[in-house]
Amino acid sequence: GENVEQHPSTLSVQEGDSAVIKCTYSDSASNYFPWYKQELGKRPQLIIDIRSNVGEKKDQRIAVTLNKTAKHFSLHITETQPEDSAVYFCAPARRMGGGNQFYFGTGTSLTVIP
Amino acid sequence: EAGVTQFPSHSVIEKGQTVTLRCDPISGHDNLYWYRRVMGKEIKFLLHFVKESKQDESGMPNNRFLAERTGGTYSTLKVQPAELEDSGVYFCASSQGALGGNTIYFGEGSWLTVV
Repeated sequence: GENVEQHPSTLSVQEGDSAVIKCTYSDSASNYFPWYKQELGKRPQLIIDIRSNVGEKKDQRIAVTLNKTAKHFSLHITETQPEDSAVYFCAPARRMGGGNQFYFGTGTSLTVIP
Repeated sequence: EAGVTQFPSHSVIEKGQTVTLRCDPISGHDNLYWYRRVMGKEIKFLLHFVKESKQDESGMPNNRFLAERTGGTYSTLKVQPAELEDSGVYFCASSQGALGGNTIYFGEGSWLTVV
């Protein structure tokens, strides 16, 4: 299966600063790259995604950049706020049968200090 | 539109007992996934259904785990007999078929504690 790693595993930033989380993967067939946010006790929720034919995508304070050659993609959060505190997971996916196969990274615990 | 629902939300059982977790995917979603998260660790893939067929069950840890999706609608995940290391949160997720986009939607999870 896919080997997915995230760095760093924990990250603390001051409110207003930026946070960057990197995800590396091994399967060159991966063609869909989402990021999920999981707040304590809640379900993981999709916050941003990018497809393999695009290098960068931005949605307000959140952006994702993809380097398919190097097999990594990164989550960028600018102007961080306390409510950004959560565990973030990357989940590169490839087509398999009638859907996609997702493999989740190890997670990054982000703490935004007010 | 109803989201992915899971039952029970919490379960505490003794080692050696049996537990069955249920997942109702979003209506019309062909793909159904089971994942498990042990405290503080990654979300680990268990298996993937496309309709009623098991597309990939490579993540199932051992034969104490049995997943079914009869009729291609809801799915059950049975653990029998349960062991202490089975404790964790079991997430179900669903997505549309190949033509319907890639996004997967998670349920709230079933928190299992084996004592």
